[in-house]
This record gives sequence, C-alpha cells and structure tokens, in this order.
Amino acid sequence: EAQVTQNPRYLITVTGKKLTVTCSQNMNHEYMSWYRQDPGLGLRQIYYSMNVEVTDKGDVPEGYKVSRKEKRNFPLILESPSPNQTSLYFCASSPWEGPYYGYTFGSGTRLTVV
Amino acid sequence: KQEVTQIPAALSVPEGENLVLNCSFTDSAIYNLQWFRQDPGKGLTSLLLIQSSQREQTSGRLNASLDKSSGRSTLYIAASQPGDSATYLCAVARWRRTNAGKSTFGDGTTLTVKP
Repeated sequence: EAQVTQNPRYLITVTGKKLTVTCSQNMNHEYMSWYRQDPGLGLRQIYYSMNVEVTDKGDVPEGYKVSRKEKRNFPLILESPSPNQTSLYFCASSPWEGPYYGYTFGSGTRLTVV
Repeated sequence: KQEVTQIPAALSVPEGENLVLNCSFTDSAIYNLQWFRQDPGKGLTSLLLIQSSQREQTSGRLNASLDKSSGRSTLYIAASQPGDSATYLCAVARWRRTNAGKSTFGDGTTLTVKP
C-alpha cells in the first residue's frame, strides 16, 4: 500500500531531551515536507526537501533540524525540545516532478513537551 | 508572503443540502491548489488537486474550481451526508521556479452535516 509512515504516533517528553520523529514513504517521491498544526494557527510548514541531500526552510524552522540522506526517509529532529513545540506534526510527500499530483500525508505525531 | 483564507470557519447544514466552501489566496503565482479533508485527530486526505492551468476538477459529489486572477477557489459538495462532517482545508503550492517546495494552508472550514 502506498503510504507515508510516521513514528511515533504519540510522544511525551521533557524539555531539552533530544528526539527524532521518523517519516518514511514507499512511493519513490522526490519531495517531502514537515508541518505542524496548532489550534488557531493552522498547518505551518517547518522544512521541506526537493530530493536527496536537498533541504530548505519553511515558515517555522526554528528549533528543528532535518536530513534527507535517502529518498524514502525524512526525519525531523528536535535537538532541545521546548514546551512551545508541543503540537501535532505531519509529514507529507509528493512526486514533485509530476505536475498532476499533490501531497500524501502521514497520520500525524502528537508531541507533548513538558 | 502568500496568505490563504477560508471562509466560513464553521458551517452546519442539514443532510441533503448542497454547499460551497471558499478558499482565497493573496498571490496568484501558484503551482497548484489542493483540497483536503481532515477528521478529528487524524491526518489529511487529499480530495482534489487543481493545477494552475486548470479551472476545475470533479470527483463524485465534489467539484473544485479555481480562479487564479481573483485568487479564489471553491469546493462544492452536492447532496451532503453526515459522513461529510470533517474539517476541509485548502493548500496552495507556490510557483515552482521562485518558491519551489513551499506550501501554504488555510485554517480550514469545519463542516457539520446534521441527519
């Protein structure tokens, strides 16, 4: 089944403890992206990647890191999480080179930083 | 900076009614516009994608239109059903050459269809 898989689905952590949220897609998509969703603020783009080893900042990149060493994986790294990073996170992918395709989203990761 | 607005924020209708959801954007230099459905606590499911060169797309009871010049898109839902209750979001992908990879989402319209 074609899908975007995020892990974990739920995570509670403490301030300052480094964590990684994984994202993997099995559709050979070039493009991958991370978003956070907060009440009243909607979905905001954190980082995106146009292809392997190519990443760029979205609208809210502060406090986050990403890497794209393989086409299928695009992990989101929080080096020193803070409570304001408590949010619902989504990963998405797209065959960007194809003009008639849009995004496929993962099921989300609900992160709580205490 | 691209801004995407969805009006209304919430909508409640009786079952069977036809309805229109609105999405407006400030920068017409877009690559495509996509409509999603999101159920509470769940991920986003793609409904329709309209390329910048297209005027509309249809899938079953859904029809999405795009007017780039006025910065508007509408999602028409025919004969609404309780199962259509969800939040509907539109997303604008910016023009490939100048802002390739960036996308902006609206805040969504929460639809409730009453039996």
